[in-house]
This record gives sequence, structure tokens and C-alpha cells, in this order.
Amino acid sequence: QPALTQPASVSGSLGQSITISCTGASSDVGGYNFVSWYQQHPGKAPKLMIYDVSKRPSGLSNRFSGSKSGNTASLTISGLQAEDEADYYCCSYAGSSTWVFGGGTKLTVL
Amino acid sequence: QLQLQESGPGLVKPSETLSLTCTVSRGSISSSPNYWGWIRQPPGEGLEWIGTIHYSGSTYYNPSLKSRVTISVDTSNNQFSLQLNSVTAADTAVYFCARLQGEEFDFWGQGTLVTVSS
Repeated sequence: QPALTQPASVSGSLGQSITISCTGASSDVGGYNFVSWYQQHPGKAPKLMIYDVSKRPSGLSNRFSGSKSGNTASLTISGLQAEDEADYYCCSYAGSSTWVFGGGTKLTVL
Repeated sequence: QLQLQESGPGLVKPSETLSLTCTVSRGSISSSPNYWGWIRQPPGEGLEWIGTIHYSGSTYYNPSLKSRVTISVDTSNNQFSLQLNSVTAADTAVYFCARLQGEEFDFWGQGTLVTVSS
């Protein structure tokens, strides 16, 4: 069950937009609309940001959005803010009640 | 708001068994959605799903860990537990417990570091 592939790092300036990709296979990302994204600040627990590919939990900023095309899911953060600097992880349902995470992407806000 | 808290030894010897408990508060472990999971994160690395349990006791494990993992539930104490056998240094990680809502993990514990060392 190999991890989903994410870029190790991305960066963007305050106010700009960035996109983080998450590539899997037809057995996980491509096979189900059950991709979720998590934000993790150093020393903290992950926080759910997006679920079911593109849904936001109640109260979460609409600056965060998700999408999927084929075996690749994406997280877009618009209007970058300093507090967005964190690690981001994608996760996909992989069938038979199993889940797989991505390797994580470090977002730097310049 | 639902809270989860991991507890257990922070140091385990190689070849021994890692045992952790997750206590759920401000909510019932038996209430919908009823599914609970364990995820770990080695120092400086990414997240790895370990396994999931339904309050009825049905379990689902990561195939790469299945031979060494047992997850159990104690509804009377609103807890669920993780046991990982025959640990090595590669099992050193922060272990998180979390609630599975649909197909995503929406509430997480703060995590607990377990170090495998003699």
C-alpha cells in the first residue's frame, strides 16, 4: 500500500494562490471520491481541511478548496496568509475499509 | 466538542509490545459514526494509517502492519486501544487516535510519542 505522492515542498507569497497535488492510482484516488486533506502545524495534531474531494468542514475558510482529476487530487489555497504555513497531507480511501496517506507537503509562505 | 486523548508508555523495548489507549470524552464511542482509528507519524516523516475499529468490534488494518496489530474497544470506559507486537526502532513515532466520520478523520487526539529503544 504505497503512499500517495505529494511534492515535498511548495511556496507562495502572501495573498497569492498555491496548489498542492496528490497522485495515487485507480485503486485509491482515482477509484473513489473520498479524498481528504489535513493541515498540520509543528507539534500539533492534523486538522481536517477538505473531505470528499471538495467539501469543507463547517466554519472553515473558503480560501481552501479541493478538486480531483483522474488519479490526482489537488488542494488549492487562495489569498495565502502567514498562518497557512504548515505541512499538508492528502488521504484517500483505498477500498476494503483501508486508507492511505500522502507523504506530505511543506508549505512556505514568503 | 468531542475530545480524544492518547495514553500509554513513552518508551518500549525492541521486540516487546506497544500498548496505547485512546479515551473519548464529550461524546460516546458508541454514537454515530461509531468508527475510530489509529494513525502514526515517525519523527520528521508523514502520516501512516494503522487501523480502524467499529464500536461493535469490527476491525480493519493496514496490510503492512496487519500481522502485528490489534485494535480493541471498551465501550464501558469509552476507550479504544492499540497493541503493536514485536516492535523495532522503525515503530518509533507519534501515535494519534482519531474519529472516522464518513471516509475522513475529523477529530484527532494530540498524539503521543512512543520511542522504541533498549
